[in-house]
Amino acid sequence: KAGVTQTPRYLIKTRGQQVTLSCSPISGHRSVSWYQQTPGQGLQFLFEYFSETQRNKGNFPGRFSGRQFSNSRSEMNVSTLELGDSALYLCASRDGWDEQFFGPGTRLTVL
Amino acid sequence: KNEVEQSPQNLTAQEGEFITINCSYSVGISALHWLQQHPGGGIVSLFMLSSGKKKHGRLIATINIQEKHSSLHITASHPRDSAVYICAEGSGGGADGLTFGKGTHLIIQP
Repeated sequence: KAGVTQTPRYLIKTRGQQVTLSCSPISGHRSVSWYQQTPGQGLQFLFEYFSETQRNKGNFPGRFSGRQFSNSRSEMNVSTLELGDSALYLCASRDGWDEQFFGPGTRLTVL
Repeated sequence: KNEVEQSPQNLTAQEGEFITINCSYSVGISALHWLQQHPGGGIVSLFMLSSGKKKHGRLIATINIQEKHSSLHITASHPRDSAVYICAEGSGGGADGLTFGKGTHLIIQP
């Protein structure tokens, strides 16, 4: 089976812009979670989607949003970008409550 | 909210040494994860365990539920084991997703 894929892999944006990141889970996995990794805060949970519904949400402002499509692909959106949003954004998929499989990440730089 | 503490933060060892990385958490959990992250960012899930011990090749993970402590051991370490090792707790209900430790940066010198 193909692994989790994320696009784009690298992205440069300027403050105030918005960005959309995409994640395609492993075939058959219905749960997709998103994480942010920064040098200062480490890895933090953003949200999890299951069958097109947001199941859980981390402690992030409303500028961070996401959605999941009927084919389980997921997108996350960050509006009004801030310098502090520069990070590696990782998504992970899983089957049920099993271990998570991570994608390679999207490295976002906000200038 | 659960706090996840890892030690040591950094570890440099010689090839062949037995490595131990520790993880402690503050409240009861239903699953503890060990992850490996290589330079470039990709994360691989090594273990997910809720009790006892698991072994995969040269890697062994143990968990003590009563003491709220888990360890990751690497036997016969090799330079290719150099990576950041991260423990994370995730309740079965996934109410808050995974909560991560800060990671242990391991360097194995030849």
